[in-house]
Amino acid sequence: KNEVEQSPQNLTAQEGEFITINCSYSVGISALHWLQQHPGGGIVSLFMLSSGKKKHGRLIATINIQEKHSSLHITASHPRDSAVYICAVRSPGNQFYFGTGTSLTVIP
Amino acid sequence: DSGVTQTPKHLITATGQRVTLRCSPRSGDLSVYWYQQSLDQGLQFLIQYYNGEERAKGNILERFSAQQFPDLHSELNLSSLELGDSALYFCASSLTVGVTYEQYFGPGTRLTVT
Repeated sequence: KNEVEQSPQNLTAQEGEFITINCSYSVGISALHWLQQHPGGGIVSLFMLSSGKKKHGRLIATINIQEKHSSLHITASHPRDSAVYICAVRSPGNQFYFGTGTSLTVIP
Repeated sequence: DSGVTQTPKHLITATGQRVTLRCSPRSGDLSVYWYQQSLDQGLQFLIQYYNGEERAKGNILERFSAQQFPDLHSELNLSSLELGDSALYFCASSLTVGVTYEQYFGPGTRLTVT
């Protein structure tokens, strides 16, 4: 069993739609990261959370520590949001565990 | 541009060979992380260095080793290469080791073992 599970694996949305990607984890964590990977391969860290909620532009990330669950929301989705979104957790022992990613395609 | 540089961008080599991947962290960052991304296993954490010292070890094979030099650049050495070592290798850097510090990823080195 993976320490980090993401859903859905693939997601296709129309431009302007509200998108939610979910992440559940089974280990104790000191932080949770949401990463974005574009087709070229580069990785960008979108959020780092240890509690509550963070917002950056059209992106919102939430975490519920008790339920071991995080969500990444994209409001008013745009084709440039098309990418793979990866959830990663950092354990108190400085180990990192990654989800398998959610491939998002936003159609104009 | 994250400010993290990795060389080379691409590397093609044969089984049994040894290669060295290089990473220069963002200016001022003391901590370097190495990750492997393969098609079958996804992203995996390999190892972390802070100011020249090893801080955490993940799924790094015994055939792999890393170090961080006094100028803070880091090298990942992969030896006795196997076909399964073909992957994207990313390095990331952060200011220090605390969990509140963001990681900035380099563009990656794509290794192909033939």
